[in-house]
Amino acid sequence: DVKVTQSSRYLVKRTGEKVFLECVQDMDHENMFWYRQDPGLGLRLIYFSYDVKMKEKGDIPEGYSVSREKKERFSLILESASTSQTSMYLCASSPTDTRYEQYFGPGTRLTVT
Amino acid sequence: DQQVKQNSPSLSVQEGRISILNCDYTNSMFDYFLWYKKYPAEGPTFLISISSIKDKNEDGRFTVFLNKSAKHLSLHIVPSQPGDSAVYFCAAGGTSYGKLTFGQGTILTVHP
Repeated sequence: DVKVTQSSRYLVKRTGEKVFLECVQDMDHENMFWYRQDPGLGLRLIYFSYDVKMKEKGDIPEGYSVSREKKERFSLILESASTSQTSMYLCASSPTDTRYEQYFGPGTRLTVT
Repeated sequence: DQQVKQNSPSLSVQEGRISILNCDYTNSMFDYFLWYKKYPAEGPTFLISISSIKDKNEDGRFTVFLNKSAKHLSLHIVPSQPGDSAVYFCAAGGTSYGKLTFGQGTILTVHP
C-alpha cells in the first residue's frame, strides 16, 4: 500500500521561528510536491521536485524554501514564520510515468501565533 | 489569477440521484484533467482523470466529461451515495513536470 507520511499532524509555532515540515514517501516516486490548502482558495503549489536535489518554484513560493537530499524525503522550510502562513500543508508524490496522479499525505495543520 | 475555477462551493443531493460537479479553466496549455476527493483529516485521493484527446472517461459510478471548446469539465456521480460526501477538487496539468493547478473545491453532501 502506497504511503506518504508527514512529520506532524498539528504544529503551533511563534512568529519569526524557523519551521521544518518533513515528508517521506515509500513508493520510490521521482516527483514530490508541497501545497497549502486554504478555505476558498483550494490547493496552491508552493514548490515541487522532480529529482534529488532538483527543485522548482510553484505558484506561491515566497517565504518558503525546500530541500530534497534523498529521493524519499522532501522538506518544506519556513525561514521566518508569519501569521499569514497559518494553513494546512499537504505533501504529495507521483511517479514519472503517471506524474499527474499524485498521492497525498494526511496534511500538517500549522498555526503561527 | 485563478486558472482553474469551481464556482459552486457546495452541492447537496439525495441518495440515489445524480451529482454533477463543474469546473472551468482558462489556460489552453492544460492537456490533462483530474478529480480528487478529500475527506476531513485526510489528504486528497485521486478519483478519475481525462486527457485532452478524449471527451469522456468512465469508471464505475464516476464519469468525467471534457468540453475543450468551452474549457469546461464536469464530474457525474450516478447513483450518489452518502459515502460520496466529501470535498471534490478538479485539477489541471500540462505545463511542466506533473505540476497541477487545483480549483477551490466543492463540498458535496449526499443525504440518505
